[in-house]
Amino acid sequence: EVQLVQSGAEVKKPGESLKISCKGSGYSFTSYWIGWVRQMPGKGLEWMGIIYPGDSDTRYSPSFQGQVTISADKSISTAYLQWSSLKASDTAMYYCARHRYYDILTGYSCDYWGQGTLVTVSS
Amino acid sequence: QSVLTQPPSVSGAPGQRVTISCTGSSSNIGAGYDVHWYQQLPGTAPKLLIYGNSNRPSGVPDRFSGSKSGTSASLAISGLQAEDEADYYCQSYDSSLSVVFGGGTKLTVL
Repeated sequence: EVQLVQSGAEVKKPGESLKISCKGSGYSFTSYWIGWVRQMPGKGLEWMGIIYPGDSDTRYSPSFQGQVTISADKSISTAYLQWSSLKASDTAMYYCARHRYYDILTGYSCDYWGQGTLVTVSS
Repeated sequence: QSVLTQPPSVSGAPGQRVTISCTGSSSNIGAGYDVHWYQQLPGTAPKLLIYGNSNRPSGVPDRFSGSKSGTSASLAISGLQAEDEADYYCQSYDSSLSVVFGGGTKLTVL
């Protein structure tokens, strides 16, 4: 059974750093892209970026490039999303999702999702 | 402002059929990229409902169907049930080298 288990909720102050995690199991972690999706309170889904743990190839949404860092440790089947200096506007639920790539036109779908990590940034 | 446009809300009575539209442009759906659909029940993570415009993952009822034409796609739900009340999102790929989501549609079962 494919499972993505995310780290727990975080409460941080503006300016602090943070790294949240997503551990995959039940599939070959190095054979699928895995990425992150933001959902701000009461809002829709926003795609942030993905990483291919097999070779660490990483791609970011233009909206999030330079704002966050996506990484993975294939030895422990875990992906990460990291901030160096949080802002209040980073307050959101963050989901990791396994991305299945079909072909150049079908693109990616997110076929399995983690349970979400709530990040609250407040002074 | 989402790259893919969905109606904010739709509603229908139990047993009825509803459709949710997803309108893109020549840089995403119109460029030939496929559309995928997700269901997000209240307080839960999204779930893949339709992939590759019209394909259902294992376990998704055949009441859910998808289609695509030109720069738009649609999700149809027939035989509406109370448990279908959720937010629905379309997703595609954009020539800006990014996966893109629609703004989401809240389905209310009357």
